[in-house]
Amino acid sequence: RKEVEQDPGPFNVPEGATVAFNCTYSNSASQSFFWYRQDCRKEPKLLMSVYSSGNEDGRFTAQLNRASQYISLLIRDSKLSDSATYLCVVRGAGNMLTFGGGTRLMVKP
Amino acid sequence: GAVVSQHPSWVICKSGTSVKIECRSLDFQATTMFWYRQFPKQSLMLMATSNEGSKATYEQGVEKDKFLINHASLTLSTLTVTSAHPEDSSFYICSARDDPTSGRRYEQYFGPGTRLTVT
Repeated sequence: RKEVEQDPGPFNVPEGATVAFNCTYSNSASQSFFWYRQDCRKEPKLLMSVYSSGNEDGRFTAQLNRASQYISLLIRDSKLSDSATYLCVVRGAGNMLTFGGGTRLMVKP
Repeated sequence: GAVVSQHPSWVICKSGTSVKIECRSLDFQATTMFWYRQFPKQSLMLMATSNEGSKATYEQGVEKDKFLINHASLTLSTLTVTSAHPEDSSFYICSARDDPTSGRRYEQYFGPGTRLTVT
């Protein structure tokens, strides 16, 4: 079983749609959680951290369920520019980051 | 945010040659640097972790004699792919983590990546 698992997609959605991505992690001792965005042939960039209480940044909402070891990202009012691969990232022992396989999102006009 | 640079951004080399990739933290001191590899449509896989002034720690399955890592200063780490073969063609990304005394809590910043093609 992979340490961090994501549905690879692709998720094809029209502009303005709401889309949700899920992620599960296997190590219950994981300490911090993040969503990164990676555009084609570019490095990953931090989108947002994920807190236990849930957090929102504009159109993006992240949720964490430690009991279920489950993380989610919700994107509202999708824009064409949201098309990218979204990486679920978990920080564990030794402050090491472990990346999920990524979920590809394609927003169509 | 902090800036990490990589050079070159892309390189094409012939099979059997060696390629050196540089990773620099431009505005902070990086006690620890990481090297990742990403094949098409796959996620980033950690190759090795390097701490300034000491030997790198390689992940299982990564040949340390093939992928030479040098972290000689707090702002520079290099990855040398020796005797490159076509299967080494990949996107190599470095990441630098700032010094814990910086006040930031172990933030990790990524370089723009180096695309290596071995013919």
